[in-house]
Amino acid sequence: AQTVTQSQPEMSVQEAETVTLSCTYDTSESDYYLFWYKQPPSRQMILVIRQEAYKQQNATENRFSVNFQKAAKSFSLKISDSQLGDAAMYFCAYRSAETGTASKLTFGTGTRLQVTL
Amino acid sequence: DAGVTQSPTHLIKTRGQQVTLRCSPKSGHDTVSWYQQALGQGPQFIFQYYEEEERQRGNFPDRFSGHQFPNYSSELNVNALLLGDSALYLCASSTYDRPGNTIYFGEGSWLTVV
Repeated sequence: AQTVTQSQPEMSVQEAETVTLSCTYDTSESDYYLFWYKQPPSRQMILVIRQEAYKQQNATENRFSVNFQKAAKSFSLKISDSQLGDAAMYFCAYRSAETGTASKLTFGTGTRLQVTL
Repeated sequence: DAGVTQSPTHLIKTRGQQVTLRCSPKSGHDTVSWYQQALGQGPQFIFQYYEEEERQRGNFPDRFSGHQFPNYSSELNVNALLLGDSALYLCASSTYDRPGNTIYFGEGSWLTVV
Protein backbone atom coordinates (compact mmCIF):
# COMPACT_ATOMS: atom_id res chain seq x y z
CA ALA A 1 0.00 0.00 0.00
CA GLN A 2 1.11 3.50 -0.72
CA THR A 3 1.55 6.14 1.96
CA VAL A 4 1.94 9.90 1.76
CA THR A 5 3.52 11.95 4.55
CA GLN A 6 3.35 15.70 5.08
CA SER A 7 5.47 16.59 8.09
CA GLN A 8 4.56 20.28 8.28
CA PRO A 9 1.11 20.76 9.85
CA GLU A 10 1.33 24.54 9.43
CA MET A 11 3.44 26.99 7.48
CA SER A 12 3.42 30.75 7.27
CA VAL A 13 4.72 33.05 4.55
CA GLN A 14 4.68 36.77 3.98
CA GLU A 15 2.93 38.12 0.93
CA ALA A 16 5.22 38.19 -2.13
CA GLU A 17 7.68 35.77 -0.52
CA THR A 18 8.41 32.15 -1.45
CA VAL A 19 7.45 29.08 0.58
CA THR A 20 8.11 25.37 0.12
CA LEU A 21 5.79 22.64 1.36
CA SER A 22 7.23 19.17 1.85
CA CYS A 23 5.87 15.76 0.95
CA THR A 24 7.34 12.28 0.98
CA TYR A 25 5.69 9.10 -0.19
CA ASP A 26 6.26 5.40 -0.21
CA THR A 27 5.41 3.03 -3.04
CA SER A 28 6.73 -0.07 -4.77
CA GLU A 29 5.34 1.03 -8.13
CA SER A 30 7.52 2.56 -10.81
CA ASP A 31 4.81 4.46 -12.65
CA TYR A 32 2.45 6.80 -10.85
CA TYR A 33 1.21 10.37 -10.56
CA LEU A 34 1.70 12.90 -7.82
CA PHE A 35 -0.50 15.88 -7.12
CA TRP A 36 -0.81 18.93 -4.96
CA TYR A 37 -4.37 19.94 -4.14
CA LYS A 38 -5.51 23.14 -2.48
CA GLN A 39 -8.52 23.14 -0.19
CA PRO A 40 -9.75 26.63 0.76
CA PRO A 41 -12.39 27.22 3.45
CA SER A 42 -15.06 26.39 0.85
CA ARG A 43 -13.70 22.82 1.16
CA GLN A 44 -13.63 22.06 -2.56
CA MET A 45 -10.45 20.33 -3.65
CA ILE A 46 -8.68 22.29 -6.37
CA LEU A 47 -5.84 20.80 -8.37
CA VAL A 48 -2.71 22.96 -8.14
CA ILE A 49 -0.15 20.90 -10.01
CA ARG A 50 0.57 17.35 -11.12
CA GLN A 51 3.68 15.34 -11.90
CA GLU A 52 4.02 12.13 -13.89
CA ALA A 53 6.66 9.87 -12.34
CA TYR A 54 8.13 8.92 -15.70
CA LYS A 55 8.92 12.56 -16.48
CA GLN A 56 12.22 13.81 -15.10
CA GLN A 57 11.36 17.45 -15.68
CA ASN A 58 9.72 19.16 -12.72
CA ALA A 59 6.21 20.45 -13.36
CA THR A 60 5.50 24.19 -13.27
CA GLU A 61 2.20 26.07 -13.27
CA ASN A 62 2.65 29.83 -13.11
CA ARG A 63 3.78 30.63 -9.54
CA PHE A 64 3.69 26.97 -8.49
CA SER A 65 6.49 24.50 -9.13
CA VAL A 66 7.55 21.16 -7.74
CA ASN A 67 10.83 19.52 -6.86
CA PHE A 68 10.34 15.85 -7.70
CA GLN A 69 13.04 13.51 -6.46
CA LYS A 70 11.97 10.02 -7.51
CA ALA A 71 14.81 8.10 -5.88
CA ALA A 72 14.27 9.91 -2.60
CA LYS A 73 10.46 9.66 -2.99
CA SER A 74 10.14 13.34 -2.31
CA PHE A 75 7.71 15.79 -3.90
CA SER A 76 7.80 19.35 -2.59
CA LEU A 77 5.72 22.32 -3.71
CA LYS A 78 7.21 25.79 -4.10
CA ILE A 79 4.91 28.79 -4.18
CA SER A 80 6.56 31.95 -5.45
CA ASP A 81 5.29 35.50 -4.98
CA SER A 82 2.76 34.30 -2.41
CA GLN A 83 -0.64 35.95 -2.47
CA LEU A 84 -3.35 36.24 0.18
CA GLY A 85 -5.52 33.95 -1.93
CA ASP A 86 -2.97 31.16 -1.55
CA ALA A 87 -3.97 30.70 2.08
CA ALA A 88 -5.53 27.24 2.35
CA MET A 89 -4.89 23.63 3.27
CA TYR A 90 -2.55 21.95 0.84
CA PHE A 91 -2.65 18.21 0.31
CA CYS A 92 -0.09 16.04 -1.40
CA ALA A 93 -1.63 13.04 -3.12
CA TYR A 94 -0.52 9.86 -4.90
CA ARG A 95 -2.26 7.97 -7.66
CA SER A 96 -1.24 4.74 -9.36
CA ALA A 97 -0.87 4.67 -13.15
CA GLU A 98 -2.54 1.27 -13.26
CA THR A 99 -5.76 1.21 -15.28
CA GLY A 100 -8.77 0.88 -13.06
CA THR A 101 -7.32 2.90 -10.23
CA ALA A 102 -8.14 6.12 -11.98
CA SER A 103 -9.85 7.90 -9.15
CA LYS A 104 -8.16 6.41 -6.12
CA LEU A 105 -5.99 9.02 -4.52
CA THR A 106 -3.95 8.55 -1.38
CA PHE A 107 -3.67 11.84 0.50
CA GLY A 108 -1.31 13.15 3.11
CA THR A 109 -2.57 14.84 6.27
CA GLY A 110 -2.18 18.32 4.82
CA THR A 111 -0.29 21.52 5.50
CA ARG A 112 -2.16 24.65 6.48
CA LEU A 113 -0.60 27.66 4.78
CA GLN A 114 -1.06 31.12 6.23
CA VAL A 115 -0.18 34.19 4.19
CA THR A 116 0.54 37.36 6.12
CA LEU A 117 0.84 40.98 5.03
CA ASP B 1 -20.23 22.45 -18.47
CA ALA B 2 -21.27 21.50 -14.95
CA GLY B 3 -18.59 20.06 -12.76
CA VAL B 4 -19.15 17.49 -10.05
CA THR B 5 -22.31 18.21 -8.11
CA GLN B 6 -23.24 16.81 -4.72
CA SER B 7 -26.34 16.91 -2.56
CA PRO B 8 -27.26 17.68 0.10
CA THR B 9 -24.73 20.28 1.19
CA HIS B 10 -25.30 19.80 4.89
CA LEU B 11 -27.30 17.36 6.93
CA ILE B 12 -27.70 16.28 10.52
CA LYS B 13 -28.58 12.71 11.46
CA THR B 14 -29.07 10.84 14.70
CA ARG B 15 -26.86 7.94 15.74
CA GLY B 16 -28.22 4.67 14.38
CA GLN B 17 -29.98 6.27 11.42
CA GLN B 18 -29.17 5.80 7.77
CA VAL B 19 -28.08 8.45 5.27
CA THR B 20 -27.89 8.71 1.47
CA LEU B 21 -25.63 11.17 -0.30
CA ARG B 22 -25.78 11.87 -4.02
CA CYS B 23 -23.29 12.79 -6.70
CA SER B 24 -23.40 13.65 -10.39
CA PRO B 25 -20.06 13.38 -12.17
CA LYS B 26 -18.56 15.87 -14.53
CA SER B 27 -19.81 15.55 -18.09
CA GLY B 28 -17.84 12.91 -19.98
CA HIS B 29 -16.68 11.08 -16.86
CA ASP B 30 -17.70 7.48 -16.19
CA THR B 31 -16.10 6.77 -12.82
CA VAL B 32 -17.17 8.04 -9.42
CA SER B 33 -15.28 7.71 -6.18
CA TRP B 34 -16.20 8.69 -2.65
CA TYR B 35 -13.93 10.03 0.06
CA GLN B 36 -14.43 10.72 3.75
CA GLN B 37 -12.62 13.70 5.24
CA ALA B 38 -12.73 14.01 9.01
CA LEU B 39 -11.99 17.39 10.54
CA GLY B 40 -8.29 18.20 10.30
CA GLN B 41 -7.49 15.14 8.22
CA GLY B 42 -6.83 14.34 4.60
CA PRO B 43 -9.55 12.61 2.56
CA GLN B 44 -9.74 8.84 2.87
CA PHE B 45 -10.81 6.72 -0.12
CA ILE B 46 -14.05 4.83 0.50
CA PHE B 47 -14.77 3.17 -2.85
CA GLN B 48 -14.91 3.60 -6.60
CA TYR B 49 -17.74 2.81 -9.02
CA TYR B 50 -17.51 2.09 -12.71
CA GLU B 51 -20.10 0.47 -14.97
CA GLU B 52 -22.46 0.29 -12.00
CA GLU B 53 -20.09 -1.95 -10.05
CA GLU B 54 -17.84 -1.33 -7.08
CA ARG B 55 -14.32 -1.69 -8.45
CA GLN B 56 -12.11 -0.74 -5.55
CA ARG B 57 -12.70 -0.30 -1.87
CA GLY B 58 -10.78 1.34 0.91
CA ASN B 59 -10.66 0.29 4.53
CA PHE B 60 -14.28 1.03 5.42
CA PRO B 61 -16.86 -1.31 6.99
CA ASP B 62 -19.82 -2.78 5.15
CA ARG B 63 -22.05 -0.10 6.67
CA PHE B 64 -20.76 2.02 3.80
CA SER B 65 -22.30 1.01 0.51
CA GLY B 66 -22.90 2.64 -2.82
CA HIS B 67 -24.58 2.52 -6.13
CA GLN B 68 -23.96 3.84 -9.59
CA PHE B 69 -26.75 4.48 -12.07
CA PRO B 70 -26.72 4.11 -15.87
CA ASN B 71 -26.24 7.89 -16.22
CA TYR B 72 -23.03 7.53 -14.11
CA SER B 73 -24.44 9.36 -11.10
CA SER B 74 -23.84 7.72 -7.76
CA GLU B 75 -25.12 7.38 -4.22
CA LEU B 76 -23.28 6.73 -1.00
CA ASN B 77 -25.26 5.03 1.75
CA VAL B 78 -24.17 4.77 5.35
CA ASN B 79 -26.18 2.57 7.73
CA ALA B 80 -26.25 2.48 11.51
CA LEU B 81 -24.57 5.85 11.80
CA LEU B 82 -21.93 6.38 14.46
CA LEU B 83 -20.73 9.65 15.92
CA GLY B 84 -17.40 8.97 14.20
CA ASP B 85 -19.08 9.09 10.80
CA SER B 86 -19.36 12.85 11.15
CA ALA B 87 -17.24 14.22 8.30
CA LEU B 88 -17.16 15.90 4.94
CA TYR B 89 -17.97 13.40 2.19
CA LEU B 90 -16.37 14.22 -1.12
CA CYS B 91 -17.32 12.82 -4.47
CA ALA B 92 -14.77 12.70 -7.28
CA SER B 93 -15.15 11.83 -10.93
CA SER B 94 -12.75 10.74 -13.65
CA THR B 95 -12.46 8.36 -16.60
CA TYR B 96 -11.74 4.73 -15.88
CA ASP B 97 -9.29 3.90 -18.61
CA ARG B 98 -7.28 7.11 -18.47
CA PRO B 99 -5.39 7.25 -15.16
CA GLY B 100 -3.57 10.34 -16.39
CA ASN B 101 -6.74 12.39 -16.56
CA THR B 102 -7.54 14.97 -13.92
CA ILE B 103 -9.79 13.97 -11.05
CA TYR B 104 -12.47 16.54 -10.28
CA PHE B 105 -14.05 16.95 -6.88
CA GLY B 106 -17.41 18.21 -5.78
CA GLU B 107 -17.89 20.65 -2.93
CA GLY B 108 -18.83 17.87 -0.55
CA SER B 109 -21.64 16.96 1.80
CA TRP B 110 -21.20 17.82 5.45
CA LEU B 111 -22.63 15.07 7.66
CA THR B 112 -23.07 15.63 11.36
CA VAL B 113 -24.15 12.68 13.50
CA VAL B 114 -25.59 13.58 16.90
